[in-house]
Amino acid sequence: SQQGEEDPQALSIQEGENATMNCSYKTSINNLQWYRQNSGRGLVHLILIRSNEREKHSGRLRVTLDTSKKSSSLLITASRAADTASYFCATDGGNNRLAFGKGNQVVVIP
Amino acid sequence: DAGITQSPRYKITETGRQVTLMCHQTWSHSYMFWYRQDLGHGLRLIYYSAAADITDKGEVPDGYVVSRSKTENFPLTLESATRSQTSVYFCASGQGYSNQPQHFGDGTRLSIL
Repeated sequence: SQQGEEDPQALSIQEGENATMNCSYKTSINNLQWYRQNSGRGLVHLILIRSNEREKHSGRLRVTLDTSKKSSSLLITASRAADTASYFCATDGGNNRLAFGKGNQVVVIP
Repeated sequence: DAGITQSPRYKITETGRQVTLMCHQTWSHSYMFWYRQDLGHGLRLIYYSAAADITDKGEVPDGYVVSRSKTENFPLTLESATRSQTSVYFCASGQGYSNQPQHFGDGTRLSIL
């Protein structure tokens, strides 16, 4: 089955800087989603990008999708302390399921 | 407010005991999911349900039992808990299409001694 896989990075950045994280997957997809997880909480949906889209914006979030490379990136611009969280990508898992990656931890230092 | 709630939030039990984790959603979503989250493994799907009385195995179903007699509830039971089942368990619901988001509860942190 397909599985999103983030680059296993733990990012530590200063407030105001940009944070970028990547996700790769193995097989063709219809769409890809990004989620955020704050410490001790459940995942929260951030943004979905369809396979026929190359870029999508939502507030300070920018997602790109390169289907030829089977990869996606999530950029958070002008980061804030509240952006400190783990970020997960998720792809079609078949049978109306999602396959989640292992997550990227981002720490924004005030 | 519509949402998804899990109970208990924390649970400590002993090996061999039976434990049930509860999940309740108020969105009337047809699909519900159980995941476990472990360091180094991310989220792994245990079981999911497409509707009341319809359940199916996910990636790691062994040692778990689910039921769904009502659309809004999806309990997860560990029939004889083992230490390897120590984990954080998340319930989620959704409309069941891959182009729709899943909505997650805040998890149950389960420790098996």
